[in-house]
Amino acid sequence: EADIYQTPRYLVIGTGKKITLECSQTMGHDKMYWYQQDPGMELHLIHYSYGVNSTEKGDLSSESTVSRIRTEHFPLTLESARPSHTSQYLCATRDRESTGELFFGEGSRLTVL
Amino acid sequence: AQSVTQLGSHVSVSEGALVLLRCNYSSSVPPYLFWYVQYPNQGLQLLLKYTSAATLVKGINGFEAEFKKSETSFHLTKPSAHMSDAAEYFCAVSGVNFGNEKLTFGTGTRLTIIP
Repeated sequence: EADIYQTPRYLVIGTGKKITLECSQTMGHDKMYWYQQDPGMELHLIHYSYGVNSTEKGDLSSESTVSRIRTEHFPLTLESARPSHTSQYLCATRDRESTGELFFGEGSRLTVL
Repeated sequence: AQSVTQLGSHVSVSEGALVLLRCNYSSSVPPYLFWYVQYPNQGLQLLLKYTSAATLVKGINGFEAEFKKSETSFHLTKPSAHMSDAAEYFCAVSGVNFGNEKLTFGTGTRLTIIP
């Protein structure tokens, strides 16, 4: 039973389309993160949030944007998708009392043609 | 600043043999260290973590890892490999600095089990 839900799991779209990747959690965690993962590469942090109305850019520059209007919801949006955006996007959460452990969703694999 | 290096992007072992996946870290502050496993088309799942208590850490599925400060290592081992262990494994480090909590991941090691 998943506590972090990512939709869609797989998405194939054409260049120039606007897309939103959804991430929802039922764990009540304040902190949420988006990572980008390419084959053979480490996970790169692209966005994070420490609570409602808090969003920050991560270590890897990304053309995507995020919002955090509700604690349980942290969507990622690409206004105009390009082939360079093809990747897997992983959403994660962390408890405020945690020693660093992240809880991950199953990921959204995006392919832009 | 912190980083992790995973030696060997691909490791193959026979079923029943010892599994050893290597991870070396660099951290300017005392680290927290983690091993995650990723099965195909899945997210990452925590295997085990070191948070400055016992240096030998036991995790799920029979895996364990030993923190060696002198060698700046946190290698993952399992005495006897099982077919279900085939997956990608990521080592990660987080500084024990509550102003900087981000996890830094290694590039991963793909473990293949030979029947």
